[in-house]
Parts: sequence; C-alpha cells; structure tokens
Amino acid sequence: NAGVTQTPKFQVLKTGQSMTLQCAQDMNHEYMSWYRQDPGMGLRLIHYSVGAGITDQGEVPNGYNVSRSTTEDFPLRLLSAAPSQTSVYFCASSPTRVSTDTQYFGPGTRLTVL
Amino acid sequence: AQKITQTQPGMFVQEKEAVTLDCTYDTSDPSYGLFWYKQPSSGEMIFLIYQGSYDQQNATEGRYSLNFQKARKSANLVISASQLGDSAMYFCAMRDLNRDDKIIFGKGTRLHILP
Repeated sequence: NAGVTQTPKFQVLKTGQSMTLQCAQDMNHEYMSWYRQDPGMGLRLIHYSVGAGITDQGEVPNGYNVSRSTTEDFPLRLLSAAPSQTSVYFCASSPTRVSTDTQYFGPGTRLTVL
Repeated sequence: AQKITQTQPGMFVQEKEAVTLDCTYDTSDPSYGLFWYKQPSSGEMIFLIYQGSYDQQNATEGRYSLNFQKARKSANLVISASQLGDSAMYFCAMRDLNRDDKIIFGKGTRLHILP
C-alpha cells in the first residue's frame, strides 16, 4: 500500500494562476480531507468528503474547490491563486466517518504564490 | 462550536524526563474522539494516540499516554522518558460526529528535548 500520496511536493505559482493539488489513497477509505498549515495556526480544514460524490466545506474553504468522483482521488483546485494561499497543504483519509477512525496524512505539498 | 486549545506554544525539557503537553477542548456533544499527532522537522504528520469519549481508561501507546479528564474537558499527552527524537511539533485534534464529521486541530506545541 502506498497510503496517501500527494503531488506535487513543491509548487510555485504566480498570482492569478490556477492549479490542482492531487491526492490519492489506496486504502479504500471513505473519508478524505484537505488541510492547510500556516505558522502559528495549526492545521485548518479546507474541504472534506465522506464518500464519492459528497463534499463539504471546512473552516477555510474560500478560494478552493474540490470534487470526489472516485473513492481514491480527492483533488484540490485553486482557481486563481493569491499570495494568501501560500501554505503547506495536507491531504488525509480515514476508513469511515466514525469518531474512532484515525486519519492518515499524506506527505504534504508546499505551495508558494508570488 | 468545536474548539481545541493548546496553551503551550513551546516547551524545553531535559532528556529522560517526562513531559506533559496540554490540550483542552470544547464540545457539547457526548460522542467524540481525541487524537494526538507528532510533526517532526521533516514535516510529516504521525499519529500517536487516540482516546474516545466513552473510553473508561486512559489510552496508552508505548511511551505515550493520554491523561483524559472528561469533566474538565482536557486530554493531555504524557511522554515518559523523553528522547532527543521526541523534539517535534505536537498537535491535539478532535473528531465530533455530531458536527458534520469535521476534525479540528489545535495550534500545536513545539517540544524541544535538551541533551
């Protein structure tokens, strides 16, 4: 099992550019989520999904879109990047939505928006 | 609303001593899960320990234990016999199914183990 994979590991964008951060898991997990990590802010939930075809907003959804067409993939789209979106992005998954399920994290994507 | 508070931005501890990292949470729902994660300087998030709100006993995993005081809404992480490799950022997190399955994190505590 590869677990949770994220690509790319590093990315530099110019303001206004768009891009998609990829996230995939091979554990047949129902629940997937995206977080951003900024210094002194911990991890903040952007969007999450409880299954294929179902997504919902987290704490900081503005400027980001997601979709979940398959169980395995949960891409995060930045339609028009802004410097405020400079951050480290983590994707995570857990088997189901029950409170006992641990989240497994990907290695992260470090994004810089100039 | 859900809230996780970690009041210690940074801690310095001598190697081999025990260390307690504080975490308090706020929820009105009876069913929830509490987690601790470690983030070393390499950046990955490593799951350490879990405590369910209905668990009668405090969780333990090797050198890690969770001091769960439900009435006080605290879930402190205790690391026994600290090692240099324990130097990292530590995050407390809560999962509350009655709040749309959202999992929220505290802002973290940076632990430095001194030789």
